[in-house]
Amino acid sequence: AQSVTQPDIHITVSEGASLELRCNYSYGATPYLFWYVQSPGQGLQLLLKYFSGDTLVQGIKGFEAEFKRSQSSFNLRKPSVHWSDAAEYFCAVGAPSYDKVIFGPGTSLSVIP
Amino acid sequence: DAGVIQSPRHEVTEMGQEVTLRCKPISGHDYLFWYRQTMMRGLELLIYFNNNVPIDDSGMPEDRFSAKMPNASFSTLKIQPSEPRDSAVYFCTQGDYTFGSGTRLTVV
Repeated sequence: AQSVTQPDIHITVSEGASLELRCNYSYGATPYLFWYVQSPGQGLQLLLKYFSGDTLVQGIKGFEAEFKRSQSSFNLRKPSVHWSDAAEYFCAVGAPSYDKVIFGPGTSLSVIP
Repeated sequence: DAGVIQSPRHEVTEMGQEVTLRCKPISGHDYLFWYRQTMMRGLELLIYFNNNVPIDDSGMPEDRFSAKMPNASFSTLKIQPSEPRDSAVYFCTQGDYTFGSGTRLTVV
């Protein structure tokens, strides 16, 4: 069965600083991997997804993520954070057959002006 | 854009009442998933369907919860009777991995 861990419950960064949110997964084969963002009171917005191919994935809002099979990781990065990036970020893992997608516990990002 | 339309957006009901949440898929995918989000438990997969057939309902918390998908264009999640601990945001999503705004349920 799939599982996802996000080691950081909460992260605070200064505006303009770089960001890396960590995600580790457990799955027996090459998974589908996702990052979502959720602002308070809103639904989840898909930032990016990895299915196969190039292990560096570009997403919306200037985010990227890198799939590292050897480390079972799919960390999210952004070179320069904006105040509007403050939100909850969820990593998720799914199976290639459109099987169920399991979410991590989330990382709350605060941005200091 | 979300591949589903959920209704209602907000629901407030009294403990013991029946609650029905609705989901209208618009993306035409074979899979449909129901999730629940709470502060304590995060995002939990409740049940999912493939071609209108329930595949895995192991996430449904109790017998008070039931879900149906009578056709490819409609699904419901029913709670009977509702309890305050059922208060949460409920999302449905199709196989395109996009989420809508969900239904915020408050049971008082």
